[in-house]
Amino acid sequence: GAGVSQTPSNKVTEKGKYVELRCDPISGHTALYWYRQSLGQGPEFLIYFQGTGAADDSGLPNDRFFAVRPEGSVSTLKIQRTERGDSAVYLCASSRQGLPNYGYTFGSGTRLTVV
Amino acid sequence: GEDVEQSLFLSVREGDSSVINCTYTDSSSTYLYWYKQEPGAGLQLLTYIFSNMDMKQDQRLTVLLNKKDKHLSLRIADTQTGDSAIYFCAEFGGSQGNLIFGKGTKLSVKP
Repeated sequence: GAGVSQTPSNKVTEKGKYVELRCDPISGHTALYWYRQSLGQGPEFLIYFQGTGAADDSGLPNDRFFAVRPEGSVSTLKIQRTERGDSAVYLCASSRQGLPNYGYTFGSGTRLTVV
Repeated sequence: GEDVEQSLFLSVREGDSSVINCTYTDSSSTYLYWYKQEPGAGLQLLTYIFSNMDMKQDQRLTVLLNKKDKHLSLRIADTQTGDSAIYFCAEFGGSQGNLIFGKGTKLSVKP
């Protein structure tokens, strides 16, 4: 597609529930990133995919967070047993091969609210 | 560790120049970026600079890099009300390709 698409744009869930957030990157971009942006903060890195594999998942806060990219395009971020502290905007970005001189294109994000 | 620092707020009058400053700690950073975020929107890449450059100009935007002091600035000439947004400085995090962001500077442009 023309840009990075994230769905849903907003998600409200109850504490303890499971959620899935979807990212559809720019066609042909092999690198895909998930970031989390809390209120008043800059985005914080969660996980980076190069193709189908997670090249770096060091930013995932704990084992309740998991992400997949089974066919090397669409990615899903999964959060189990959600907590109120998980409330944030989850941003996805893609990049051509992960090379820094191409920049990173971000989606509009999914605003997750855990009540 | 890696950290990117920015002042949180800047207010200017329409038509004036805005200068947003950023300091970073990772001297091995090869690329440094400026992103713009408008309310409810994603991050828009404004410009980036490679570490072997001191300055980059792109229309109304001028980026200055002082590697010795690890200081990056973004100057917006003839600032317009449409420039009101949060501006994020980011450094390239190294081999794994992730970006490290500052907390953002909220630019308010008064008519």
